[in-house]
Amino acid sequence: RKEVEQDPGPFNVPEGATVAFNCTYSNSASQSFFWYRQDCRKEPKLLMSVYSSGNEDGRFTAQLNRASQYISLLIRDSKLSDSATYLCGGGSQGNLIFGKGTKLSVKP
Amino acid sequence: DVKVTQSSRYLVKRTGEKVFLECVQDMDHENMFWYRQDPGLGLRLIYFSYDVKMKEKGDIPEGYSVSREKKERFSLILESASTNQTSMYLCASSLATDRATYNEQFFGPGTRLTVL
Repeated sequence: RKEVEQDPGPFNVPEGATVAFNCTYSNSASQSFFWYRQDCRKEPKLLMSVYSSGNEDGRFTAQLNRASQYISLLIRDSKLSDSATYLCGGGSQGNLIFGKGTKLSVKP
Repeated sequence: DVKVTQSSRYLVKRTGEKVFLECVQDMDHENMFWYRQDPGLGLRLIYFSYDVKMKEKGDIPEGYSVSREKKERFSLILESASTNQTSMYLCASSLATDRATYNEQFFGPGTRLTVL
């Protein structure tokens, strides 16, 4: 199957920092893209859908670049509670391929 | 809110046992999925189903089978459990493509299976 790649990290950042994750996908036919958050020993939970025009939800901004085949997630003003693993997923026809996740650790 | 439930959070089985993992969703989703998640390997798709009685192989179907007799229920079966099937098993569901613009998948809490 086509791949989705993301930097595994860990990203260690201080509180208040801005951090960005990228995720590249190889299947140009992919139509839907998502960011999920996964806490240790828990299930992935949907953080944001990624729209073609980009979207923002509070401190989180997601972007899609179809020409370069990547999606990004920007977290502003990082909180300790943002510490988690962030998974990107992309696909079509309801079938998603997920990256292996990027671990974020926000320190006081 | 979408609710996806799995029959057990933790399960310990012996090599050679037949294991059933059950998943139920309450949001009338057509699509259901079974993944396993292992450190460093991410989420790997085992099987999925787009409708009752339908099933499709994912990336790693060997050693597994599935059953979808009702729309809300998707079962994963390990015919003869082996130690290399020790893993976290996650079920997910989503709306059919023709009912949604974005097919977000919603995950159950997972079953951590240990095969001794």
